[in-house]
Amino acid sequence: AQSVAQPEDQVNVAEGNPLTVKCTYSVSGNPYLFWYVQYPNRGLQFLLKYITGDNLVKGSYGFEAEFNKSQTSFHLKKPSALVSDSALYFCAVRDQAGTALIFGKGTTLSVSS
Amino acid sequence: GAVVSQHPSWVICKSGTSVKIECRSLDFQATTMFWYRQFPKQSLMLMATSNEGSKATYEQGVEKDKFLINHASLTLSTLTVTSAHPEDSSFYICSGGGQNSNQPQHFGDGTRLSIL
Repeated sequence: AQSVAQPEDQVNVAEGNPLTVKCTYSVSGNPYLFWYVQYPNRGLQFLLKYITGDNLVKGSYGFEAEFNKSQTSFHLKKPSALVSDSALYFCAVRDQAGTALIFGKGTTLSVSS
Repeated sequence: GAVVSQHPSWVICKSGTSVKIECRSLDFQATTMFWYRQFPKQSLMLMATSNEGSKATYEQGVEKDKFLINHASLTLSTLTVTSAHPEDSSFYICSGGGQNSNQPQHFGDGTRLSIL
């Protein structure tokens, strides 16, 4: 069975500092990994994905994520956080195209000015 | 990029009312769409997979007769919450796309359902 773990309920960083939001996954085959962001009372916005290829994936709004197969991790990173990055972040996985995403519980990112 | 439109965004109604939520893919054809439910500050829980022209596939524990799904065209899936009660109050989100491995799913903006 597929699963995703986001070990942190909340991450607090100061504006301008680097941020990391952690994610580990478990799938039976090759993973398709995604990060989404959700603002209050809104749907999810796609940030980036890992399908195959380079382990470092660059996405929207300056975010990037590093796929680490040996650690089964896909942590989300950004070199310099903005207050506007404050939101709820979800890591998601699926093991084949066309199937539903399985989400982690979400991590609230709070960036202080 | 791909756009999914979900309507209405907010519904308040009395207990016992049936509520229909629409999910449209605006610039792609969706043979499959997904319906999720989200409780406050919690993750998205997959409710069902909506299949164009055939019956939806429901996740374990989701009542088929309570949450009716219709996917009559390649651009529209609907979720009807029948005889809604306060415990059905939640945030419902649909998604579509991602039929190819290198494509992400795209999500509607969600529907906030409040049953009085």
